[in-house]
Amino acid sequence: EDQVTQSPEALRLQEGESSSLNCSYTVSGLRGLFWYRQDPGKGPEFLFTLYSAGEEKEKERLKATLTKKESFLHITAPKPEDSATYLCAYQAAGNKLTFGGGTRVLVKP
Amino acid sequence: EAGVAQSPRYKIIEKRQSVAFWCNPISGHATLYWYQQILGQGPKLLIQFQNNGVVDDSQLPKDRFSAERLKGVDSTLKIQPAKLEDSAVYLCASSPSWAEAFFGQGTRLTVV
Repeated sequence: EDQVTQSPEALRLQEGESSSLNCSYTVSGLRGLFWYRQDPGKGPEFLFTLYSAGEEKEKERLKATLTKKESFLHITAPKPEDSATYLCAYQAAGNKLTFGGGTRVLVKP
Repeated sequence: EAGVAQSPRYKIIEKRQSVAFWCNPISGHATLYWYQQILGQGPKLLIQFQNNGVVDDSQLPKDRFSAERLKGVDSTLKIQPAKLEDSAVYLCASSPSWAEAFFGQGTRLTVV
């Protein structure tokens, strides 16, 4: 059965303390791996799409990478405004988009 | 470019009442999704439309939930009758085929 698991569930960081979030997946026929950011009371905001193993995407302090079994979201020197829930999702056959449980990140000044 | 519009933003109803949510996707997006997000969890897909046809509704509780997409554009999601466990945020998203989805702000439903 296709599934995606995110870890850790929650992450507390000091400002400037770099860390990585994990998204493990078992999907047959992966078409794309997506990362979203969600702030409280808002809908998820698109960050990155990764299509093949070895691919990397960067945006400001965020960098997403993809292997055949996992994706990582690296947060470099985070700031308090990076506090949010980060969601990964996979897209498989039929354009279906399935989400993991998310990682809640809190960056303290 | 206008984003995905949803209404209402908030709704409080009593159990066994009915409720409807509305979504206007981004113009030209063929795929429309409805998700249910319970507090502290990731979004769970309820139904996916491709134009005005249903692609996936395997997790839609069909005894109480229904959805339609009129003329392949706007969509409504209805719950009748509502249960306490339906309290959640209902998210609508749209995408061109095989691309990232863009989400609306969601409707927060509280069933009392």
